[in-house]
Amino acid sequence: ETGVTQTPRHLVMGMTNKKSLKCEQHLGHNAMYWYKQSAKKPLELMFVYSLEERVENNSVPSRFSPECPNSSHLFLHLHTLQPEDSALYLCASSQDSPGFYGYTFGSGTRLTVV
Amino acid sequence: DQQVKQNSPSLSVQEGRISILNCDYTNSMFDYFLWYKKYPAEGPTFLISISSIKDKNEDGRFTVFLNKSAKHLSLHIVPSQPGDSAVYFCAASAQISGTYKYIFGTGTRLKVLA
Repeated sequence: ETGVTQTPRHLVMGMTNKKSLKCEQHLGHNAMYWYKQSAKKPLELMFVYSLEERVENNSVPSRFSPECPNSSHLFLHLHTLQPEDSALYLCASSQDSPGFYGYTFGSGTRLTVV
Repeated sequence: DQQVKQNSPSLSVQEGRISILNCDYTNSMFDYFLWYKKYPAEGPTFLISISSIKDKNEDGRFTVFLNKSAKHLSLHIVPSQPGDSAVYFCAASAQISGTYKYIFGTGTRLKVLA
């Protein structure tokens, strides 16, 4: 399998649940990212991992907890979410300095919090 | 404060005609500008980019123009095809605190009419 793969594609969870989003890249990239896309808003950067080390946490609430066990895998652990956290969560990967070539995005996980 | 703005949420164009998508930015430190295309239920895919030292980059039917004095970026698609119907995001990048960041616009939905 090639590219960036995200699972699950859709997730419905209650506010008291705990769930995890998974992202896997097969491109040999060394940086991975979590983005949030809400309706009519720009893509919001949540977390950046470079060489498995978190280098950016963009003021994200602690109910979102990222994990990067190796350069190919990235997780986003979710607990006690709010309905306003419902959004499309996108994972991306790149070489360390994406510059001209940008990111490669996964297809996203559509999260609904009820 | 939005550093990258796409002021037209939607655009309709007849097949075969030119589509022009616009993007404005505020930060003169941006060094790369990119366009992404997004189909429903898929992640954004990289389309074309331009370095801040250039004013034009062309790739087949797609041309990106950069006007640094006006802080304005545009994407021209000629001729437009029905398969070009998608949401187009512009993004600008800069290295901030040692990390490369992309700032995205809110997107413009292009509809190419057959």
